[in-house]
Amino acid sequence: QQQVKQSPQSLIVQKGGISIINCAYENTAFDYFPWYQQFPGKGPALLIAIRPDVSEKKEGRFTISFNKSAKQFSLHIMDSQPGDSATYFCAASINTGNQFYFGTGTSLTVIP
Amino acid sequence: DGGITQSPKYLFRKEGQNVTLSCEQNLNHDAMYWYRQDPGQGLRLIYYSQIVNDFQKGDIAEGYSVSREKKESFPLTVTSAQKNPTAFYLCASSIPGLNYGYTFGSGTRLTVV
Repeated sequence: QQQVKQSPQSLIVQKGGISIINCAYENTAFDYFPWYQQFPGKGPALLIAIRPDVSEKKEGRFTISFNKSAKQFSLHIMDSQPGDSATYFCAASINTGNQFYFGTGTSLTVIP
Repeated sequence: DGGITQSPKYLFRKEGQNVTLSCEQNLNHDAMYWYRQDPGQGLRLIYYSQIVNDFQKGDIAEGYSVSREKKESFPLTVTSAQKNPTAFYLCASSIPGLNYGYTFGSGTRLTVV
């Protein structure tokens, strides 16, 4: 059973546009929600993370929006650039830093 | 620089052969993990270890084995019992209990020939 559901599976955005990737979870015990960025042939790298006591976190062009009541969180990439083309994974964990449960990934392509 | 080193980058396995993937970290992290990545399936946990000489099975441990004799090292053996081993294998480490997330290695791509 997939603990974290991610959509869409793939996304194509024009340069300068907004990329939005959504994730949903069921386990209310999750208390840490990171996003990872993965380029082909590389391991994922931590991009940005949020805890459920805040509704939004912004780092540069990347923003996480968190809706605790809906058990959903999303990644917004503003002013998307071709260099943002990668696979993005959402994840969730209990007792931060222990086992993470990953979404199935979103392949983002930003067209110049 | 601190990080996780996985080797080899590419590995080819013949039918019925055991192969071992190396994972070494110099981050002084207590916990280490092995994930398998297949297209469209995200990352699935194979084994994890939170302390030396102790490890637990993840969601897809069948056909795999691990050891954790040193804090820095967490090798994964893909045995002949793993019927579909072709995948991208990722090693990760973390400090449990901190808002820190995982640090991943650059992966090993295993192909059955």
